[in-house]
Amino acid sequence: DSGVTQTPKHLITATGQRVTLRCSPRSGDLSVYWYQQSLDQGLQFLIQYYNGEERAKGNILERFSAQQFPDLHSELNLSSLELGDSALYFCASSPPRTGGTGELFFGEGSRLTVL
Amino acid sequence: AQKVTQAQTEISVVEKEDVTLDCVYETRDTTYYLFWYKQPPSGELVFLIRRNSFDEQNEISGRYSWNFQKSTSSFNFTITASQVVDSAVYFCATESGYSTLTFGKGTMLLVSP
Repeated sequence: DSGVTQTPKHLITATGQRVTLRCSPRSGDLSVYWYQQSLDQGLQFLIQYYNGEERAKGNILERFSAQQFPDLHSELNLSSLELGDSALYFCASSPPRTGGTGELFFGEGSRLTVL
Repeated sequence: AQKVTQAQTEISVVEKEDVTLDCVYETRDTTYYLFWYKQPPSGELVFLIRRNSFDEQNEISGRYSWNFQKSTSSFNFTITASQVVDSAVYFCATESGYSTLTFGKGTMLLVSP
C-alpha cells in the first residue's frame, strides 16, 4: 500500500459526460501528479501540483482540468468525454524536497471507461 | 525533450531463468535521474530503483541488479532466477524536472512455472 488513495476505482460513463477523479496523497506529501495510462499512448504525465499551486503541465487536454485543495487532496476533472479518454488514471505523490527527483508513490488508479 | 525506449515489448521466460530488460534513454540534461517501476497484474505502479547520472556504479539488490552505462545511454535491469511473481510490466523512466517522469512503453515479463 503506497498510502495514496484514489477514488473511484472504476467508472463507466457515456460520451459527452463529465467525471471527477479524486486523489488523497500520502500524509506529509505536498506534490500531487496525475498520469494517464492508455494502450495507445502508454503512461503520460498530465499535470503536477505542489502545495496547491500548479507546477508543471504535460500532455493534458483542454477538456481536462485539475486542482489541489488546501487539505492537499486533488481532483482531476474530465469533461466532454470521448471514447479515447478511456484509460487508467494514476495519481502519485512525492515527499517535499527541493530539486525534484523524488521517488513517486502511485495510487492504484481510477479506470475510466467511456461508452 | 526526454525519451525512453524499451525495445522489448514482451519477454517470456521459464522460472529460474535470468532475464534482462533493456532501456535506452535520451536527455539533454547533464544531471538526470533514471527509474524503474513495476506494474503487476493488479495494476498499481511500484517503485523499484532510482539512479542519478553521477553514479554509474551498478547495484545488486537481492535478485535484482541494474546496469547503468552513460556512454550508451542505457539503464538495463536484470532479474536473476526469475519467479512467477515477477510477472509484470516493467517501466523505465527518466525525470523531466520537478519529479515529473517520462516513461517508456514498458516491457511485459511473463514468467511461467
